[in-house]
Amino acid sequence: QVQLVQSGTEEKKPGASVKVSCKASGYTFTGYYIHWLRQAPGQGLEWMGWINPNSGDTNYAQKFQGRIAVTRDTSRRTAYMELSRLMSDDAAVYYCARDGFSSSSGDYWGQGTLVTVSS
Amino acid sequence: QSALAQPASVSGSPGQSITISCSGSSNDVGSYNLVSWYQQHPGKAPKLMIFEDSRRPSGVSNRFSGSKSGNTASLTISGLQAEDGADYYCSSFAGSSVLFGGGTKLTVL
Repeated sequence: QVQLVQSGTEEKKPGASVKVSCKASGYTFTGYYIHWLRQAPGQGLEWMGWINPNSGDTNYAQKFQGRIAVTRDTSRRTAYMELSRLMSDDAAVYYCARDGFSSSSGDYWGQGTLVTVSS
Repeated sequence: QSALAQPASVSGSPGQSITISCSGSSNDVGSYNLVSWYQQHPGKAPKLMIFEDSRRPSGVSNRFSGSKSGNTASLTISGLQAEDGADYYCSSFAGSSVLFGGGTKLTVL
């Protein structure tokens, strides 16, 4: 069965970087885009970017340009999202999601990774 | 780019139907047949309910339906059940990005 398993909770200080991983199983990893999204406490969903695991091509929301890097390791069937220069309002649950229908939607989601940012 | 506009809350009684709107622009909702709808229960990851404006993934109840007119998409839930109470989010492809609505809290009375 399709599964996306994310890395665990991260506690960071302002100005630091965080790297979240998303390990895929149950399907052809290179066959479907992976999206990264986040959800601040009590807030809505926010799209951050996507990666084509086959080519490594990426596309990021303008808001995060210059501060985000999404990569993948096909041998490990894992996608990564690194966000740098963290600020307090980057505290959120970060999700990866598979775009199973090639429709800019997520049909399978990771369990979420809580990132806290505090001095 | 601005987020898509959704009502903050809607409510309905069991068995009734409700509709949640999602207003965008000609740069997103109105230009692509790529509106999605998600259901999210507290503390859980979102679940895809509708993609490509009106298609249901396998396993999603046919009580959930999506439609679109111009720059506004809609999610209709018929035969409301207690377990439908959740937050609902719309999203749309917007050329080179994906926009989300602010979310709508559905209360089943």
